Amino acid sequence: DIVLTQTPLSLPVTPGEPASISCRSSESLVDADDGNTYLDWYLQKPGQSPQLLIYTVSSRASGVPDRFSGSGSGTDFTLKISRVEAEDVGLYYCMQRIEFPWTFGQGTKVEIK
Amino acid sequence: QVQLVESGGGAVQPGTSLRVSCGASGFIFSSFSMHWVRQVPGKGLEWVAAISHDGGEKNYADSLKGRFTISRDNSKRTLFLHMKRLRVEDTAIYYCARDHGDQGSDWGQGTLVTVSS
Repeated sequence: DIVLTQTPLSLPVTPGEPASISCRSSESLVDADDGNTYLDWYLQKPGQSPQLLIYTVSSRASGVPDRFSGSGSGTDFTLKISRVEAEDVGLYYCMQRIEFPWTFGQGTKVEIK
Repeated sequence: QVQLVESGGGAVQPGTSLRVSCGASGFIFSSFSMHWVRQVPGKGLEWVAAISHDGGEKNYADSLKGRFTISRDNSKRTLFLHMKRLRVEDTAIYYCARDHGDQGSDWGQGTLVTVSS
């Protein structure tokens, strides 16, 4: 199975400041057939299901504020929040969908300092 | 607007069976592969199973093969997960998800299954 390793696991942030989460994969997530890289980012707010933020590395899902951005290639990926807001607190997960089983990072808990 | 609504969760005893469902709306259900993902409360996410758009192909987490069965009824726009010989460690929130290919995936709100004696 593909292993996704997120760092850090805990991220205290100051509102208005930037934040960054890393996700490293044990294998390349590039699909040889279509060229897409199947790495997504999700935010799970307390008491809610995971909601899609970023798909295929860098595409923002509908309704996601532009302060969220994704980057990376191959096996190394990053989620950045340009200016953290209070509503951004929760658990952030990276997820790969290039092969079964879908696998997830351990989650990064973002909280306000 | 895509909507996925899980149902059928509840409290059951170890060794029993349970079927959870996921009703879909807002998209052409029969065109998309569907998945089940579970989450032990307070813990991480675990992929459970997937089924192709027409039900012809099914994939399972190795640890669950033989006990869990995924199925779908495209005429009723509904996804199912039949779980048998349930164990305490199967206690989790079960989410259904639409596989939207190169546009990510959409998830429901989940249904809680509690296995306890």
